[in-house]
Amino acid sequence: NAGVTQTPKFRVLKTGQSMTLLCAQDMNHEYMYWYRQDPGMGLRLIHYSVGEGTTAKGEVPDGYNVSRLKKQNFLLGLESAAPSQTSVYFCASSVYNEQFFGPGTRLTVL
Amino acid sequence: ELKVEQNPLFLSMQEGKNYTIYCNYSTTSDRLYWYRQDPGKSLESLFVLLSNGAVKQEGRLMASLDTKARLSTLHITAAVHDLSATYFCAVDISSARQLTFGSGTQLTVLP
Repeated sequence: NAGVTQTPKFRVLKTGQSMTLLCAQDMNHEYMYWYRQDPGMGLRLIHYSVGEGTTAKGEVPDGYNVSRLKKQNFLLGLESAAPSQTSVYFCASSVYNEQFFGPGTRLTVL
Repeated sequence: ELKVEQNPLFLSMQEGKNYTIYCNYSTTSDRLYWYRQDPGKSLESLFVLLSNGAVKQEGRLMASLDTKARLSTLHITAAVHDLSATYFCAVDISSARQLTFGSGTQLTVLP
């Protein structure tokens, strides 16, 4: 039981490049989330999903897109990366009243 | 818009001392969470508080929730160095369990 896993762990992009972050969970959770964490701040919700095939915007969705084609996977896409998207990205999945977080992806946009 | 405020943001304390971290939030909720984060690591769930008056304890940490005051506290008893970390509170007001986080309290326990 791996819990919540994220791929990749680190990535460096140039401004304007695109990439996709993958989140996978093996706990059969319905709800999944993408957060970003900037230095000195708490996590902020980017997008979330309450089930396969559904997505919704969170607090800071601009510049990101998501997809949930399979229940166990939640993808976060950056179509045209900007330096302001340099951050640590955490994925989480939820059951009842507890969220389980992945290890994070550290993304730098130059 | 839900706002979650923690104080203090930085806390330096000596081993053996007691202290309390405060978490205030702006919208009615009866679901509050405390997490711990070590540098460069993910978030570790400490406590889930689901009703007014809820109190939970684990080792040297005790968390409580007062939904009428919109306040949660994380009390540290007889601090030890291993408790050094950043502590976040988070509030959930939606059916989709979206969390709104405080800015975190960076705790350093000195020998």
